[in-house]
Amino acid sequence: QKEVEQNSGPLSVPEGAIASLNCTYSDRVSQSFFWYRQYSGKSPELIMSIYSNGDKEDGRFTAQLNKASQYVSLLIRDSQPSDSATYLCAENTGGFKTIFGAGTRLFVKA
Amino acid sequence: NAGVTQTPKFQVLKTGQSMTLQCAQDMNHNSMYWYRQDPGMGLRLIYYSASEGTTDKGEVPNGYNVSRLNKREFSLRLESAAPSQTSVYFCASSGYQADRRSNYGYTFGSGTRLTVV
Repeated sequence: QKEVEQNSGPLSVPEGAIASLNCTYSDRVSQSFFWYRQYSGKSPELIMSIYSNGDKEDGRFTAQLNKASQYVSLLIRDSQPSDSATYLCAENTGGFKTIFGAGTRLFVKA
Repeated sequence: NAGVTQTPKFQVLKTGQSMTLQCAQDMNHNSMYWYRQDPGMGLRLIYYSASEGTTDKGEVPNGYNVSRLNKREFSLRLESAAPSQTSVYFCASSGYQADRRSNYGYTFGSGTRLTVV
């Protein structure tokens, strides 16, 4: 059973701090990884994709991928209360199927 | 606005009733998906359609059927609803990256909150 594991949280950080969200996956052949943000009662929204080992930056967001250790992380710099949401990690295992983790709830305190 | 449109947004069914969830995308994506989301279990794939004319089972297909009506539309049908099908249902669409053998990230619809009593 291919799995994506995330700590359910909640992860609580003060406004302006760096929030670090982590995810591990079980399928060694996975090539594509995604981070989604989901506000309460809303649908998931894609915020980052990463395909190669290393870091990928987009504004305040940095995704990190380490295929040897099978983990992917998301850093949010200068966290804002509007970043409070559930963050879903997802992997594409080849082809058309994407597997999602259960998500980590992030709470940014003003 | 371009995107994925789902209807209805809310529905209450009695056990044994049937219904169809509708989904349409105007992003010219080939691939479309139906997921359900339950508390603590994340998103689970019910069915997907890699391209017009094809459909395939996902992780939890039992009790559901799908139809890819054309490139834009992908519907999900519950033939005889059961309380275990109480969930939030999301439709999504995506393009496909042949060089990576992977879809791109998904665009999701706004969801259907279904309660079966």
